[in-house]
Amino acid sequence: GAGVSQTPSNKVTEKGKYVELRCDPISGHTALYWYRQSLGQGPEFLIYFQGTGAADDSGLPNDRFFAVRPEGSVSTLKIQRTERGDSAVYLCASSLETGLAGATQYFGPGTRLTVL
Amino acid sequence: AQKITQTQPGMFVQEKEAVTLDCTYDTSDPSYGLFWYKQPSSGEMIFLIYQGSYDQQNATEGRYSLNFQKARKSANLVISASQLGDSAMYFCDIETQTPTFGTGTSLTVIP
Repeated sequence: GAGVSQTPSNKVTEKGKYVELRCDPISGHTALYWYRQSLGQGPEFLIYFQGTGAADDSGLPNDRFFAVRPEGSVSTLKIQRTERGDSAVYLCASSLETGLAGATQYFGPGTRLTVL
Repeated sequence: AQKITQTQPGMFVQEKEAVTLDCTYDTSDPSYGLFWYKQPSSGEMIFLIYQGSYDQQNATEGRYSLNFQKARKSANLVISASQLGDSAMYFCDIETQTPTFGTGTSLTVIP
C-alpha cells in the first residue's frame, strides 16, 4: 500500500508569509506526528494526533504554529508570519496505534521549507 | 523530561564487518520504548528496531540487534555484516508520552 505522503516537497516563501504543509498518512493509521528537522540534527517533536484530536502539542515552538486533522486522516501544519528560523525539513509520520509497542512510526519524505 | 545522547557524530566500518552505534538515554518514566531509525541521504526515516523497557531479551531484526543494558540506560545498535547500503544517518529515539530523538550518528561503510 501507499506510504506517508507530504506536499509540497519543497516550499520557498518570504519572511512574514503564511504557509500550509500537508501530510497524508497511511490508511488506517490513527496516530499522526509532526516533526521539524534542522540541518545536522535529529527530528524535533512538534505535535501528535490521536484521531482528530491533538493528543500532545507540547513541542510547538510558539503560537505561530498550528496543526489540524479534521477528519482523522490528512493533517495540515500551518505556520503564520514565517521567520527565517523556521527554515527546516518538516517531517510527518503515522503509526497504527499509540502505546509503546505499537508506536512504530512510518515517515513521509518531508517538506523542505525555506524562508527568505 | 527525557533525553537521548548519541556521542558518535561519525563512524566508519569496513564492508562485511560489524559496527556498534552508541545510544544512552535518561527518563524517570519506568515504561518507555526505544527505537532506532535510519535516514539515508534521500531523507526518509526508516524504522529498524524496537525495544520495550520491560522486554527481557534484546531485540533482533535480521542484521540489526539492540544491546539493551537497562541499568546503564544504554541501547546500542549493532549492525552485523555491514553493507555499502548501510551508509546513512542513524537516530536513536526514546518514547514515553512523546518521542525524543538523538542528534544521530553518520555511518560510512568502506568497500
